[in-house]
Amino acid sequence: GNSVTQMEGPVTLSEEAFLTINCTYTATGYPSLFWYVQYPGEGLQLLLKATKADDKGSNKGFEATYRKETTSFHLEKGSVQVSDSAVYFCALYYNQFYFGTGTSLTVIP
Amino acid sequence: DTAVSQTPKYLVTQMGNDKSIKCEQNLGHDTMYWYKQDSKKFLKIMFSYNNKELIINETVPNRFSPKSPDKAHLNLHINSLELGDSAVYFCASSPNPAGGRDTQYFGPGTRLTVL
Repeated sequence: GNSVTQMEGPVTLSEEAFLTINCTYTATGYPSLFWYVQYPGEGLQLLLKATKADDKGSNKGFEATYRKETTSFHLEKGSVQVSDSAVYFCALYYNQFYFGTGTSLTVIP
Repeated sequence: DTAVSQTPKYLVTQMGNDKSIKCEQNLGHDTMYWYKQDSKKFLKIMFSYNNKELIINETVPNRFSPKSPDKAHLNLHINSLELGDSAVYFCASSPNPAGGRDTQYFGPGTRLTVL
């Protein structure tokens, strides 16, 4: 079946620290991969996506590369800000969406 | 302009009651969805409608019944509410299949609390 596993949180970082949130997937076909972000009290927003192997998605300083050989799509940002505090969801799309359990990130000044 | 809107934002009710959550999208999308997010933030699809027709119906108790009066609206009716129904329910929409159902726009969520 299809599923997504992402690192458990919560994650707390100081401003300007480097961020990595790990995500691996299992899929029966060739899925598209996504990172969604949920700010407090809001719905999910698409952060970035990649539709095929070796594609890199990027947005707002965040990046993730679709690695077919390791079935991974890790999220990275070189220097986090307080405004990045949110819950981050890794997801795959193959006929429907399958979401990971979310990783809560808190960035402290 | 709100793309995907849900009402109410908060809903507190007693066990055994029947309640509805409404969703509307003004994006002109053909496909709409309901997701349930539990207290641990786990997000799971419940239903999907394409142009008022049900296309995804995950294993959900039949106390949950979606209704799509037109392609801009997808309401969720829940009968005989139980404690375990407490969650945040998100509505979403996506363009027609040619445009890609993998581009989904989410509403702000409805937090349902069953006492």
